Amino acid sequence: EVQLVESGGVVVQPGGSLRLSCAASGFTFDDYTMHWVRQAPGKGLEWVSLISWDGGSTYYADSVKGRFTISRDNSKNSLYLQMNSLRTEDTALYYCAKGGGAVAGYFDYWGQGTLVTVSS
Amino acid sequence: EIVLTQSPGTLSLSPGERATLSCRASQSVSSSYLAWYQQKPGQAPRLLIYGASSRATGIPDRFSGSGSGTDFTLTISRLEPEDFAVYYCQQYGRGVTFGPGTKVDIK
Repeated sequence: EVQLVESGGVVVQPGGSLRLSCAASGFTFDDYTMHWVRQAPGKGLEWVSLISWDGGSTYYADSVKGRFTISRDNSKNSLYLQMNSLRTEDTALYYCAKGGGAVAGYFDYWGQGTLVTVSS
Repeated sequence: EIVLTQSPGTLSLSPGERATLSCRASQSVSSSYLAWYQQKPGQAPRLLIYGASSRATGIPDRFSGSGSGTDFTLTISRLEPEDFAVYYCQQYGRGVTFGPGTKVDIK
């Protein structure tokens, strides 16, 4: 059974930093592209970032480019999101999601999310 | 950026009725790289459809997807009580963007 478990969400002040983690199990982690997707309270879904199976390619939404860094450790079946220069508009539930199929642009499994609150 | 528009914003129907949800893209979605998700309150989204018309693993056949280019549709043939939720479309042909969602609620 595929499981994705996020952690690291807390309350942080504007300008602060945070590192989210996602522990994966139930599939061959290093075969798949992985993503972070976020959802602000009461709002829709927003794709944040992706990383290729080997970590060699990364992409970011314009809203986080230059502030967030995605990474992975295939030896630990883990995905990370380093978040710097946080803004109030980064407040959201952050989901880790597995890329589906060869294209890997859709998300076939999701974690339950970890809540990041940016507030003074 | 490809902008997705979903209509209607809210669909009020009774169990057993047919639901038809629309997703329109601002530009053609290449290779029908369009997915649909269901989200219930307090839960993560669940993949229903990918490639515009392929059902994901374990998804009942009352859910079907169709369309190409800029116009896509999710159809639920007969609504079950557990189908009342918010539905999002997502394109992955050029970057990744989501639509704003359609809420299907009980009439």
